[in-house]
Amino acid sequence: AQKITQTQPGMFVQEKEAVTLDCTYDTSDPSYGLFWYKQPSSGEMIFLIYQGSYDQQNATEGRYSLNFQKARKSANLVISASQLGDSAMYFCAMRGILSGGYNKLIFGAGTRLAVHP
Amino acid sequence: DTEVTQTPKHLVMGMTNKKSLKCEQHMGHRAMYWYKQKAKKPPELMFVYSYEKLSINESVPSRFSPECPNSSLLNLHLHALQPEDSALYLCASSPTRQGANEQYFGPGTRLTVT
Repeated sequence: AQKITQTQPGMFVQEKEAVTLDCTYDTSDPSYGLFWYKQPSSGEMIFLIYQGSYDQQNATEGRYSLNFQKARKSANLVISASQLGDSAMYFCAMRGILSGGYNKLIFGAGTRLAVHP
Repeated sequence: DTEVTQTPKHLVMGMTNKKSLKCEQHMGHRAMYWYKQKAKKPPELMFVYSYEKLSINESVPSRFSPECPNSSLLNLHLHALQPEDSALYLCASSPTRQGANEQYFGPGTRLTVT
């Protein structure tokens, strides 16, 4: 079975500092994908970054980078130079395969990030 | 344009009412999804549509009835709901049902059942 674990219910960071949000995963599939989504209080799930299991390099998207350590089964999100607008819930997710080859996203419990001025 | 729209933004309904949630995307995506998210929990998949056909139903009660009138539209018809069905309902789409495609989510409909 596939599982995503986020062990940090809440995190605080000072504006302009970097922060790391932890994510570990469990799967027996050799091919898998990992995602990070941001959910502000408005409710929308905003896609941030994707890492494929065969990707040689860690994914980066602007201020977001994914610290992918395959042997440790971890896919931590690093946000550099935090901004007040980064305050939100962050979900790590894995692509799960349903019958017929359909995809579903399996989410972790989420980490609530608060950025302080 | 990576936009998925959902209406209404908020909905309050009684247990005997019939209402519908609407989702629309114009990105040419061929897979669309309904998720349910309870407060302080992650989203949980309800339905998957692929090429306008219902492909996956994650054992959702029949009081939730999805419909995909065309490739851009996805509806969720609600009837005889229970208070425990109060949640944020999120619609998402992806280019196809497979592959490394991220899912793009709409802003959600906050449903309250009284």
